Amino acid sequence: AQKITQTQPGMFVQEKEAVTLDCTYDTSDPSYGLFWYKQPSSGEMIFLIYQGSYDQQNATEGRYSLNFQKARKSANLVISASQLGDSAMYFCAMREGSGGSNYKLTFGKGTLLTVNP
Amino acid sequence: NAGVMQNPRHLVRRRGQEARLRCSPMKGHSHVYWYRQLPEEGLKFMVYLQKENIIDESGMPKERFSAEFPKEGPSILRIQQVVRGDSAAYFCASSPHGLEWTQYFGPGTRLLVL
Repeated sequence: AQKITQTQPGMFVQEKEAVTLDCTYDTSDPSYGLFWYKQPSSGEMIFLIYQGSYDQQNATEGRYSLNFQKARKSANLVISASQLGDSAMYFCAMREGSGGSNYKLTFGKGTLLTVNP
Repeated sequence: NAGVMQNPRHLVRRRGQEARLRCSPMKGHSHVYWYRQLPEEGLKFMVYLQKENIIDESGMPKERFSAEFPKEGPSILRIQQVVRGDSAAYFCASSPHGLEWTQYFGPGTRLLVL
């Protein structure tokens, strides 16, 4: 079974509108964390936001927020007020476990977001 | 404060040649991770190293691939006798001790095997 599933290969959004990128995960470990990364066409991986499994509140970073629904095992990324520079590939990733065993990040296949002017 | 450095950014090799990819972690980071991104895919973990030690190489192909992180100098990912299927982006990440999941990624090396 896939550990990270991103069901939207591509998404389109109008500039200044909000968009939600879906991510579901699969783990039996009670301690885990979820990440979102942005990969623009230049290729680098840019960290956006992190949510720990024990965090009580949804994570927010500027225009990015993570809609964490633990019972549904989903961690959707919400981008508010989209900008043309948001056009990129977006990856959801997970770490599992605690202590010294939680270094291995598992990535989804990504969603290509295109922001239209 | 310089981030994770990788070089070269692009590397072209012919089948059968060797590829050497270098990664210098962020200042103060003692842990290095290598990931591979095949076309149209997400990143996949390859290996985790600390200075002079390989901690976990469970994601490394059994043959032709090796990695090291010497006491001095950058971490090296070495691919011997490259094949076309090795064409990919190779990302290095680093983390401080005790925060192994807080990984900062470098810009990646794009390897093209002709």
